[in-house]
Amino acid sequence: AQSVTQPDIHITVSEGASLELRCNYSYGATPYLFWYVQSPGQGLQLLLKYFSGDTLVQGIKGFEAEFKRSQSSFNLRKPSVHWSDAAEYFCAVGGVNDYKLSFGAGTTVTVRA
Amino acid sequence: ETGVTQTPRHLVMGMTNKKSLKCEQHLGHNAMYWYKQSAKKPLELMFVYNFKEQTENNSVPSRFSPECPNSSHLFLHLHTLQPEDSALYLCASSQDLRDAGELFFGEGSRLTVL
Repeated sequence: AQSVTQPDIHITVSEGASLELRCNYSYGATPYLFWYVQSPGQGLQLLLKYFSGDTLVQGIKGFEAEFKRSQSSFNLRKPSVHWSDAAEYFCAVGGVNDYKLSFGAGTTVTVRA
Repeated sequence: ETGVTQTPRHLVMGMTNKKSLKCEQHLGHNAMYWYKQSAKKPLELMFVYNFKEQTENNSVPSRFSPECPNSSHLFLHLHTLQPEDSALYLCASSQDLRDAGELFFGEGSRLTVL
């Protein structure tokens, strides 16, 4: 069965500091991996995705993520956080011809001035 | 309008009411989805439609009844709900099922069942 674990429920970071959100997945085949962001009162927006190739992927809003197959991880990073990055972040896994994405429970990011 | 639009944004209903949630996408996509989002739980996929045909009913109770009259519109009809059904219901679309990871979400309908 496929699943996603986001170990950190809540992270607080200072504006301008770096951010890393952890994601571990379980998937029986080649995974497709995604990060979504949900700002307060909004739906989810796709930040970035990994299908194949370069294991370091760039996304929108200055985010990047690195796929590590040996660790079954797909951690999200941003070098310098802005107050507008305060949101909930979801990692998800799917696969080829598999439309049933599995989402993690999310990590809430608070940005302090 | 662009993107995925959901109405109403907020809904309060009693357990004996009948109400409907509406979703409309202006992206020309062929696949549409209903997800349930409860606090601190992973999103739960409820229904999937591809070219108006239902391809997935993820063991959802019959008190939730989806309808997809065309590729741009998706409804979720609600009847005899339970308080535990209170949640944020998200509609999403993708170009087709092969792009199911690249979802475009609406802002959701916050449902409270009294």
